[in-house]
Amino acid sequence: AQKVTQAQTEISVVEKEDVTLDCVYETRDTTYYLFWYKQPPSGELVFLIRRNSFDEQNEISGRYSWNFQKSTSSFNFTITASQVVDSAVYFCALSEAGGSSNTGKLIFGQGTTLQVKP
Amino acid sequence: DGGITQSPKYLFRKEGQNVTLSCEQNLNHDAMYWYRQDPGQGLRLIYYSQIVNDFQKGDIAEGYSVSREKKESFPLTVTSAQKNPTAFYLCASSMGRRNSPLHFGNGTRLTVT
Repeated sequence: AQKVTQAQTEISVVEKEDVTLDCVYETRDTTYYLFWYKQPPSGELVFLIRRNSFDEQNEISGRYSWNFQKSTSSFNFTITASQVVDSAVYFCALSEAGGSSNTGKLIFGQGTTLQVKP
Repeated sequence: DGGITQSPKYLFRKEGQNVTLSCEQNLNHDAMYWYRQDPGQGLRLIYYSQIVNDFQKGDIAEGYSVSREKKESFPLTVTSAQKNPTAFYLCASSMGRRNSPLHFGNGTRLTVT
């Protein structure tokens, strides 16, 4: 069965601290895709990154970086020098199982609420 | 600008009444989805549609119904049979492939009393 686990329900940090959001996934597929989304207080989920299972290179985008490790089935997200505007709920998601039905469905983790205090 | 529009943002209904949530997209996406978000439970899939006039149940379809008469529109009806309808509802669309990111609307917060 496919599953995404975000064990950290809530994280609170002070501005300028680094913070890592954990994501662990389960799948039997050899080809799959992982995603991170940000949900600010406005409610809309904003797409941050997609990673395919064949690309284990870490990704850096400004203050954001992602560490994908197939050996531990993890796709962790780090915010460097956090800012108040980073306060949001962050979701990790996994593409549906492969096979004949490619519908684009995503399986989401429970989400991690990040609060960055000034 | 292309995007997904959900309306209304807040909706209040009495128990026993059906209510329809609107979702419109102008991204020319083939696939559309409805997710429900509850505190501590992440997003759960209600219904999805890959093409006009076709849709499939997701993980929690009981008490909900949808239609897909136009590519741009995918309304969700919360029926009186839904036992716990108060939640935040999110509509999304995508190209419908496994590597396609979902694009989300702003959501509708439904409160049933």
